[in-house]
Amino acid sequence: EDQVTQSPEALRLQEGESSSLNCSYTVSGLRGLFWYRQDPGKGPEFLFTLYSAGEEKEKERLKATLTKKESFLHITAPKPEDSATYLCAVQARRGGSYIPTFGRGTSLIVHP
Amino acid sequence: EPEVTQTPSHQVTQMGQEVILRCVPISNHLYFYWYRQILGQKVEFLVSFYNNEISEKSEIFDDQFSVERPDGSNFTLKIRSTKLEDSAMYFCASSGLAGLVAGELFFGEGSRLTVL
Repeated sequence: EDQVTQSPEALRLQEGESSSLNCSYTVSGLRGLFWYRQDPGKGPEFLFTLYSAGEEKEKERLKATLTKKESFLHITAPKPEDSATYLCAVQARRGGSYIPTFGRGTSLIVHP
Repeated sequence: EPEVTQTPSHQVTQMGQEVILRCVPISNHLYFYWYRQILGQKVEFLVSFYNNEISEKSEIFDDQFSVERPDGSNFTLKIRSTKLEDSAMYFCASSGLAGLVAGELFFGEGSRLTVL
């Protein structure tokens, strides 16, 4: 069964303290891995798509990387406004389609 | 910037009542989805919709659930007889990519359903 596991469940950082979030996945034939940001009471907001091992994407203080078994979301010098839950999703085969399937997320709090 | 809009933002209903949640996807998108998120849990797939019919559905999407696109712009989720365990945030999402592989999803702000 396709699975997405994110770690840690929660992470507290001081402003400026860089760290990484992990997403490990087991799918038969990866068709895309996605990172989303979710603020409390809001819908997920798309950040990145990665398709193949070795691929990297960057946006401001965030960089996403992909290997054959996992993806990392690196946060460099975070600010309090980076506080949110970060969700990882993979395309999981369902019938004749591939449907984005989410992990439980990592709740990030950045203290000033 | 185009966005997905959902109404109502919050609905409180009694167990056994019918509920309709509404969504207006981004206008040129082709694929539409409903996901739900029970408080503190992960975002779970319910159903996908393409070319005016359901393309995939999860085990959660039983006979109590239905979707339709009545007028070419709105996309609705109906729960016929709500149960306590239907209490959750329901998210509508749309995608502009064609073909079998859905890509980046644009989510609405969600409709919080509380069943008493």
